[in-house]
Formats: sequence, structure tokens, C-alpha cells
Amino acid sequence: NAGVTQTPKFQVLKTGQSMTLQCAQDMNHEYMSWYRQDPGMGLRLIHYSVGAGITDQGEVPNGYNVSRSTTEDFPLRLLSAAPSQTSVYFCASSYSRSYEQYFGPGTRLTVT
Amino acid sequence: GESVGLHLPTLSVQEGDNSIINCAYSNSASDYFIWYKQESGKGPQFIIDIRSNMDKRQGQRVTVLLNKTVKHLSLQIAATQPGDSAVYFCAENSLYGGSQGNLIFGKGTKLSVKP
Repeated sequence: NAGVTQTPKFQVLKTGQSMTLQCAQDMNHEYMSWYRQDPGMGLRLIHYSVGAGITDQGEVPNGYNVSRSTTEDFPLRLLSAAPSQTSVYFCASSYSRSYEQYFGPGTRLTVT
Repeated sequence: GESVGLHLPTLSVQEGDNSIINCAYSNSASDYFIWYKQESGKGPQFIIDIRSNMDKRQGQRVTVLLNKTVKHLSLQIAATQPGDSAVYFCAENSLYGGSQGNLIFGKGTKLSVKP
């Protein structure tokens, strides 16, 4: 199993540009989530999904959209990038909310 | 990667010593707790978990202790090795409260192992 994969590993955007961060898992997990990690802030939940076709907002959802058309994929869209979105983004998956989450390697995003 | 360690509490230990990393959690209704390890430039890696019906759980070289009375969680690492150098996060989960059943992560502790 590849586990949780994320692409790209690094990305530089200009303010106002849009892009999609890709996340895929091959463990047949129902629960998937996106976090951002900033220095000294720990991991903050952006959006999550409890199954295909179901998504919901986390702690810091503004400026991001998600969809879950399949169990395997959970892309994160930045609608109009802002410097405040410069961060490291992690995707995670688990059997359910009450089980350990497996994290991808992360995407380091810089918005200039 | 490296920026994760900025402004974090740091624990420095000698190789071979035991390490204890502490975490205070906020929600008395939390019923599931996890410890993660994050090495520089990598995603968090699951270490061990514990549910609220337990006080202690052991893994390979690691032990997690849960004190629900004072809402405190600790991770003990036996015979600490240089490869244990990383940032360690605790996370809590509860179906009740503002987190909607999602994990809430602490800010982390940086463990530095001196050879």
C-alpha cells in the first residue's frame, strides 16, 4: 500500500491564483481530512469528509473548498491564494474519526 | 519541516535516558487520545493511542499515561535514541464539544537527543 499520497510537494503561487492540492489514499478509509501547519500553531483542521459525497468545515475553512467524489480522493482547492495561506498542508485518512489518522508527506505552499 | 520547531517547548535529553513528554488536554469529555511524532520535513507519524477507559498503555519503548482527573496525558520513551529527535504532538477526540468529533492537536514539544 502507498498509504496517503499528496501532490505536489512544493508550490509557489502569486496572490490571486488558484490551485488544487491533490490527496489520495489506498486504504479504503472513510474519513479524510486536510490540515494546515504553521510555526507554533500545531495542526489546524481545514475541511473533513466522513465518506464519499459528504464534506464539512473544520476550524479554518475560509478560502478553501473540498469535494469527495470517490473514497480514495480528497482534493483541496485554493480559490484565490493569499499570503496568509502560506503554510504546510497535510492530508490524512482513517477508518473513522475515533481511530488513528495516517498522514501524507505534506505540501509546502508559498504565496507571494 | 524545520519551521515546525519554532517557538515550541523543548526537551533535551541524553541518549539512553528516559524521556517524558507531557500534554494537558482541554475537554473533560474527550475519550480518545493519540501521540504523534513528526520528523523534520515529514508528516506526523502515529506512535500510540489510548482510550479513556484505560490509564496506561504500552508499546515498543513507549508508554502513554492518562490522568483524567487532572486532564493530563504523558508519553514516556525508554532508552531514548538519536532517532527519537522530533516534534511530538498529542491529540484528543470527543464527540461532544466544538470539535464535532474531530481530532484536536496540541502545539507540540520538540525532543532533542544529545549523543
